[in-house]
Amino acid sequence: SAVISQKPSRDICQRGTSLTIQCQVDSQVTMMFWYRQQPGQSLTLIATANQGSEATYESGFVIDKFPISRPNLTFSTLTVSNMSPEDSSIYLCSVFSGSSVNEQFFGPGTRLTVL
Amino acid sequence: GQQLNQSPQSMFIQEGEDVSMNCTSSSIFNTWLWYKQDPGEGPVLLIALYKAGELTSNGRLTAQFGITRKDSFLNISASIPSDVGIYFCAGQAGTASKLTFGTGTRLQVTL
Repeated sequence: SAVISQKPSRDICQRGTSLTIQCQVDSQVTMMFWYRQQPGQSLTLIATANQGSEATYESGFVIDKFPISRPNLTFSTLTVSNMSPEDSSIYLCSVFSGSSVNEQFFGPGTRLTVL
Repeated sequence: GQQLNQSPQSMFIQEGEDVSMNCTSSSIFNTWLWYKQDPGEGPVLLIALYKAGELTSNGRLTAQFGITRKDSFLNISASIPSDVGIYFCAGQAGTASKLTFGTGTRLQVTL
């Protein structure tokens, strides 16, 4: 399975500010996924990031609020813009295993608290 | 977006007991995955199922891909304290397509 790291692991931010979350994978992957997990809830897909193209956003998520970069095959960033307390969540990046296009593996997550 | 229904929502069991949980969907999936999430961590993949009716084991864990392709089941035998966590099912409609996650089952194990 791929080894995925995220930075920061956690942060406390003031409303109205923005935070950029980094995701680094130890192998080249075509697709990277960003998920949000609100407190006590399940995982919801925000967007799919392919290298060299615009990210594809799920219903309810927009690029202005969650801009994503995918500069190469091992790295992606998710920015949470103009934050409000409702953005307090765990943000997780995920990739498919190199040996299977069906098995997704997750990073450790970034726990964001917005005051 | 769509979420899969998992039951039970939570369960308290004694160490050594067996655990069963299930996941149901209104849609057909071609792949079912089961994850475990510990506090402060990302979900960890436990078992992947690829064929209707398939029964797959990983140590004390056994999962089944329902015949209708709309459900899946996870069993844990002889539970131990480190089984504590939240278990999520996830369905995938096609190859390399996005996952739809279940609502989760929170497992607590008492000594």
